Amino acid sequence: DTGVSQNPRHKITKRGQNVTFRCDPISEHNRLYWYRQTLGQGPEFLTYFQNEAQLEKSRLLSDRFSAERPKGSFSTLEIQRTEQGDSAMYLCASSLDFGGQTDTQYFGPGTRLTVL
Amino acid sequence: AQKVTQAQTEISVVEKEDVTLDCVYETRDTTYYLFWYKQPPSGELVFLIRRNSFDEQNEISGRYSWNFQKSTSSFNFTITASQVVDSAVYFCALSEDQYGGSQGNLIFGKGTKLSVKP
Repeated sequence: DTGVSQNPRHKITKRGQNVTFRCDPISEHNRLYWYRQTLGQGPEFLTYFQNEAQLEKSRLLSDRFSAERPKGSFSTLEIQRTEQGDSAMYLCASSLDFGGQTDTQYFGPGTRLTVL
Repeated sequence: AQKVTQAQTEISVVEKEDVTLDCVYETRDTTYYLFWYKQPPSGELVFLIRRNSFDEQNEISGRYSWNFQKSTSSFNFTITASQVVDSAVYFCALSEDQYGGSQGNLIFGKGTKLSVKP
């Protein structure tokens, strides 16, 4: 039983470039969450999916950010025209929602983004 | 509005000391969930415990124990006989009930960095 995986683990990019991160959740989990964590802070919620439907987006998710989960399995998070303020750890988590009861969120190792 | 406060930014103890990490939360919901996660230097958040608002029983798991008190909106975490491997950042988190038991996203505190020295 593998956990949540994220790729790449590290990404260095220049300001203005686009970047895309991938998250593979625990196989039977139907919910997938994205969080962002900056240095010295707790993770902050960005968005989440139930199967392929994106059900909630935070105000932190500006127009430059887009997330998809096309087949209800893996998800991608794209940041367009990156800015230095986007430098952070991007965390993915998954959980199982069954009959209105949601299990615990389990996190992946994160993708650390550095924008130069 | 929901909020989690971890007032202790950093704590340093010597191995074998007991240490308590404080967590105070705010929510207007009557049904909610509380969590503790550990983030070692490697960066991955590791789930430790989950509590729902109707279960005020304290819990013990090995050297770890949790004290949930709704009257003071606190969910404190104690490590007994700390070890060097306990060194990490510990996060307390809150999740509201969306509809009939379905959890929403997690709201985290800023974390407490615990350093256990040999």
